[in-house]
Formats: sequence, structure tokens, C-alpha cells
Amino acid sequence: AQTVTQSQPEMSVQEAETVTLSCTYDTSESNYYLFWYKQPPSRQMILVIRQEAYKQQNATENRFSVNFQKAAKSFSLKISDSQLGDTAMYFCAFEEETSGSRLTFGEGTQLTVNP
Amino acid sequence: DTGVSQDPRHKITKRGQNVTFRCDPISEHNRLYWYRQTLGQGPEFLTYFQNEAQLEKSRLLSDRFSAERPKGSFSTLEIQRTEQGDSAMYLCASSLGTGGSVDIQYFGAGTRLSVL
Repeated sequence: AQTVTQSQPEMSVQEAETVTLSCTYDTSESNYYLFWYKQPPSRQMILVIRQEAYKQQNATENRFSVNFQKAAKSFSLKISDSQLGDTAMYFCAFEEETSGSRLTFGEGTQLTVNP
Repeated sequence: DTGVSQDPRHKITKRGQNVTFRCDPISEHNRLYWYRQTLGQGPEFLTYFQNEAQLEKSRLLSDRFSAERPKGSFSTLEIQRTEQGDSAMYLCASSLGTGGSVDIQYFGAGTRLSVL
């Protein structure tokens, strides 16, 4: 079974600084997708960034980028120029290519951006 | 259409009662998913539909749980004889489900169930 581990339950960062959230996963599959979702307090979860395992180039979306290390099964999220609105729970998620889009989530990292 | 809609947002019930939640996906999304999220944890997959067909059910979905998507549009999740352990946030998501490249799931705000 696939597992996703986020070893940092809580993190904090000063506004405008950079922070990196860690995620590791375990799978025997060769084709899969990885995601970071953001869940603000009392609001719905939204997709931040995604990565296809067959792509070597790390995904980037504005201030958000990932460091995907396939051999190490590591998928970290870097947030640059942190903003107060980035305060949220962040979930790393995994999807097998053949799973019918079932997502397996990590436990989450609560990120607080301080002014 | 502004996104995935879930109703109600909050439900308080007594142990042993039945509850039903509704999810309206984004228009033209063929796939619909149900997840359960307990406090401090990530969402856990329960089941998903491709149009009206329920294609996969997690072992978390006990016999007291039933989900339907009768016309391939909205879906309902019913929990019979609720237990305190059913207290959680129930999340619905939808996606295009057209296959091929990665299929992005869009989530609703969830229904928070409290069983007293």
C-alpha cells in the first residue's frame, strides 16, 4: 500500500521569507502523480502544485516550487516570499496512474506566516 | 458554476440516528469522490463514482455507509446508525475523469458531522 509521510506537524515563517515543507512517500509503482494541497482554516482544499513522476523537471507555480527526488521518494514544497494568506494546512498527496484517481494524503503540515 | 457544493455544512446528530449528505460536483465532471477527514489528519479515501457507476470502495466504508450517484450528477452519502467514531469532516471532490494525463480533483468545503 502507498503511504505518504509529512514529518513536520507545524512550521512557521516570517512574512517575505522562504519555507520548505517536507514529504516522503512509499510506492512500488513507476508511474504516479504527486500533489500539494492547501487547506485554509474553515475553507475548502485547493490544489497548489502537481508533479508527474515521469517528468524530471521540477514543477513551479509562481511562488511555489517543488523539489522532486524520485530515487529518494521525496517531494518537498518551497514557498518563496511567504505571504500572510499562505497560512494554512498543507497536505502532500499521491496518486497511482492506475488507481482511478484515488488520492492518498499525508498527515499535513500546519504553516503559519507571521507578520 | 462556482465549484463543488456540499450540504449541509454542519450536522449534529445523536448516536444511532441516520444522516445523509449531499454533494453537487462541478458541471460536466464525470468523477466524484468521497473522503473522510478526522481532526488533525489528512483526508482518507472512501469511494468514487465514474458517472453513475460506483467503481471503488475503501474498506473504511462499512456496511452502515452507502453512497449513490443516481443520474451521474449529484451524489449522496448516507450513514446509518451513526456512532461517535463517525464524527469527522466528510469531503466531496470531483474531476473531469476523461483519462489520459493527471486528473485534477476539486474539493468542496465539506460537511462536518458531530455524533453525540
